[in-house]
Formats: sequence, structure tokens, C-alpha cells
Amino acid sequence: AQTVTQSQPEMSVQEAETVTLSCTYDTSENNYYLFWYKQPPSRQMILVIRQEAYKQQNATENRFSVNFQKAAKSFSLKISDSQLGDTAMYFCAFMKQDDYKLSFGAGTTVTVRA
Amino acid sequence: GAGVSQSPRYKVAKRGQDVALRCDPISGHVSLFWYQQALGQGPEFLTYFQNEAQLDKSGLPSDRFFAERPEGSVSTLKIQRTQQEDSAVYLCASSLVGLAEQFFGPGTRLTVL
Repeated sequence: AQTVTQSQPEMSVQEAETVTLSCTYDTSENNYYLFWYKQPPSRQMILVIRQEAYKQQNATENRFSVNFQKAAKSFSLKISDSQLGDTAMYFCAFMKQDDYKLSFGAGTTVTVRA
Repeated sequence: GAGVSQSPRYKVAKRGQDVALRCDPISGHVSLFWYQQALGQGPEFLTYFQNEAQLDKSGLPSDRFFAERPEGSVSTLKIQRTQQEDSAVYLCASSLVGLAEQFFGPGTRLTVL
């Protein structure tokens, strides 16, 4: 089984500032996918960003970017120019290549302050 | 529909009762997943369907849990003789195929008293 660890239960950030969420994972696989999901208080989870392990370039989606360190098995998410709508729980997730099961971390609650 | 829908959104059951949770995936999505999310935790995989075939039920915690998708569209997760430890949010997700992006529903919050 894959283990995904999010060591920060809660983070608070001022509007327009930057916040970085950490995620580490444990796997013996060489090819896999990593994800960050956002779960707002309404609880519908949406995909924020996805990274393929074979790609060295870090994925970016508008204000969201990742720092993928394969050797260190680290996959952090940076939210730039934080907005009130970014307030949510964020989950890091892992999927083996040619698999379909997502393994999630315990989540980090992000609160953006006005 | 525009997204994955689940019903009911909230369910309160007395210990020992049977419950049925429904998932309507995005039209045309072949793959359907059920996850269980305990309070303050990340979702955990329960089971996976490809069309009507249940290809993986390795995450179902006990034989009291049963899922079906008889016509390859709507799915029902049934829990028999509910226990307090079954209290959780049950999330359904669907995708075009197994390895594609999974789209999640809003979940059903089950509380067993």
C-alpha cells in the first residue's frame, strides 16, 4: 500500500499572500501520478493539479504550482495570490501507473483571511 | 447531468438498520468508484466498477458492505446492520475510463446512532 503524509493539519494565510502545503509519499514504484484535490466546505472534491512522475517539469495551473522532488518523494503545493475562495481542505493523492485507486493523505485545512 | 450526484446528502440510521446510498455518475462515464471518508481523514477506496462489472472490491471493510451497478450507470452502496464505526462521508466518483481524472460527487454523510 502507498502511504501519503500531509504533516500540516491546518494553515492560515492572508489574502493575496502565498502558502505552501507539504506532502510526502512512500512508494517503491517508479512510474505514478500525484494529485492535489481541493474540498471546499460544500464537500465536492475537485482536482487542482496533477503531476506525472516521469515528467521533470513541475506542473502549474494558474495560481497553483507544485514542487515535485522525486528522489525525496516530496510533492508540495504552492498557492500564490491567495483568494478567499481558496479556503478549503486540500488533499494530496497518489496513483500507481496503470492503476485506478487513489490513495489520499489526511488533508490540510487552508483558511484564507481577508 | 452536469456532475456526479449522490443521494441522500445526509442519512441518520440507528445501529442495526440497513442503508442504501445512491450515486448518479456523469453520463457516459465508464468507471465508477466509492470512497469512505472518516471525519478529519482523507478518503479511502472502497470499490471500483467498469460499466456493470465490479472489478475491485478490496476496500470494502466487511461483508456488510455491498455495492452494485446493474445497468452500468447508477450505483448503490448498501450497508447492512449498520454500526457506529460506519459513520462517515461516502463519496462517489466517476471517470471516462479507469485511469482518467476522477470527478467526485458531494458525498452522503452517514451518521449511525
